[in-house]
Amino acid sequence: AQSVSQHNHHVILSEAASLELGCNYSYGGTVNLFWYVQYPGQHLQLLLKYFSGDPLVKGIKGFEAEFIKSKFSFNLRKPSVQWSDTAEYFCAVNVSGGYNKLIFGAGTRLAVHP
Amino acid sequence: DVKVTQSSRYLVKRTGEKVFLECVQDMDHENMFWYRQDPGLGLRLIYFSYDVKMKEKGDIPEGYSVSREKKERFSLILESASTNQTSMYLCASRGAVTGELFFGEGSRLTVL
Repeated sequence: AQSVSQHNHHVILSEAASLELGCNYSYGGTVNLFWYVQYPGQHLQLLLKYFSGDPLVKGIKGFEAEFIKSKFSFNLRKPSVQWSDTAEYFCAVNVSGGYNKLIFGAGTRLAVHP
Repeated sequence: DVKVTQSSRYLVKRTGEKVFLECVQDMDHENMFWYRQDPGLGLRLIYFSYDVKMKEKGDIPEGYSVSREKKERFSLILESASTNQTSMYLCASRGAVTGELFFGEGSRLTVL
């Protein structure tokens, strides 16, 4: 069965530190990849997505992610985090075939301290 | 902007009660989804619908059913609520087949 693994469940950083959140998926076919973010008390919203083309994609608020097909990975990065980045981050994979359901990872809670 | 509205933000029900969770989207999307979100487990797909009156089971459909009588509305039904269905329920819609999901704010259900 297809699955999405997020390696870090909780991450604590100080402001201005660099961030990298890992995401790996288990599916050998064509995929579309997403990172969603859920700020405290808010609904899930899209951070960035990869469909095709340049494997380095840029999203909102200075986030970027790199698709490495050989490693089945789609890691999220930000060079310098801010307190306002405190949120839960979810990696998701859209599996082709069938009705294209989106499979989510377990999420990573990020806490950024001033 | 796409708006996905879930009718109830917080519900408290007793074991054995029937529960309806309503979701409405205003963007004429074909695809609608119900997920439950639990700490450490992420979002798990309960059911999805790709058209009116069409539905497909997700990964954890047991104990749930759904209804899609109109394109804009997708309801999740718990026929007989149990304590292990205490969770946050998220509705989402999607226009294109591979496009992004737009989420509602969630319905937090507590079953006593």
